Amino acid sequence: ETGVTQSPTHLIKTRGQQVTLRCSSQSGHNTVSWYQQALGQGPQFIFQYYREEENGRGNFPPRFSGLQFPNYSSELNVNALELDDSALYLCASSRDRPYNEQFFGPGTRLTVL
Amino acid sequence: KQEVTQIPAALSVPEGENLVLNCSFTDSAIYNLQWFRQDPGKGLTSLLLIQSSQREQTSGRLNASLDKSSGRSTLYIAASQPGDSATYLCAGGYNNNDMRFGAGTRLTVKP
Repeated sequence: ETGVTQSPTHLIKTRGQQVTLRCSSQSGHNTVSWYQQALGQGPQFIFQYYREEENGRGNFPPRFSGLQFPNYSSELNVNALELDDSALYLCASSRDRPYNEQFFGPGTRLTVL
Repeated sequence: KQEVTQIPAALSVPEGENLVLNCSFTDSAIYNLQWFRQDPGKGLTSLLLIQSSQREQTSGRLNASLDKSSGRSTLYIAASQPGDSATYLCAGGYNNNDMRFGAGTRLTVKP
C-alpha cells in the first residue's frame, strides 16, 4: 500500500510569485486535507477536498486555492506569495470524511524570499 | 473557539522512564482525537486515533486516553527509548472538517 506522497520536497520562490504543490493520497482514500505548519507551531488547517469538492476551509485568504482530481490526488495553489507563506505544507488523506484516521505526507518546505 | 493546548512544551527524561504527555481542548464537541509524532523537518506519523465514543486506545508501549467532559487527552509512553525522541502533537477533529492541532511537546529521551 503506497502512502501519501508530496512534491516537490523543497521550493524557493520570491514574493508575488505563484506556486503549485502536489499531493497523492494513500490508496483507497478519497479525502485530502491541506495544512500549513510554521516553524515551532502545530499545523493549521487550510482546506479539505472530498470527492473533488471543497469540503471545509480554515482561516486562509482566497489566494490559497486547491483542486482534487478524479484519482483523488490534489493540488494546493498559492498566488501572490508573501514572506509569511514560508512554511512546511502538509497534506493528509483519509477514507471518507476526516473522522477517520488521517495519514500525512512528508511535506513540502516552501521558502519565500 | 476550538483551541488545543499541549503541556509541557518540552520534556527531557532518562531512558527507561514512563512519561505522560498532556493535551487539552476548549471545545468538547470533538469527533475524534489523534496523536502524532513528528521528527525534525518531516511529516506527521499517526500514533493513535480515539473516536469520541471511546475512552482509550493502546498500541505497543503507547496508551492514549480521552475525557471529553474535562477536555483532556493524555499520551502515556512506557519504558521510553532514545528513538522516542521527537515532537508529539495532538489534534482534535471537529464537525466543520477542521483538525485543530496543539503546538506539540518536544520529547528528548537521554541514553
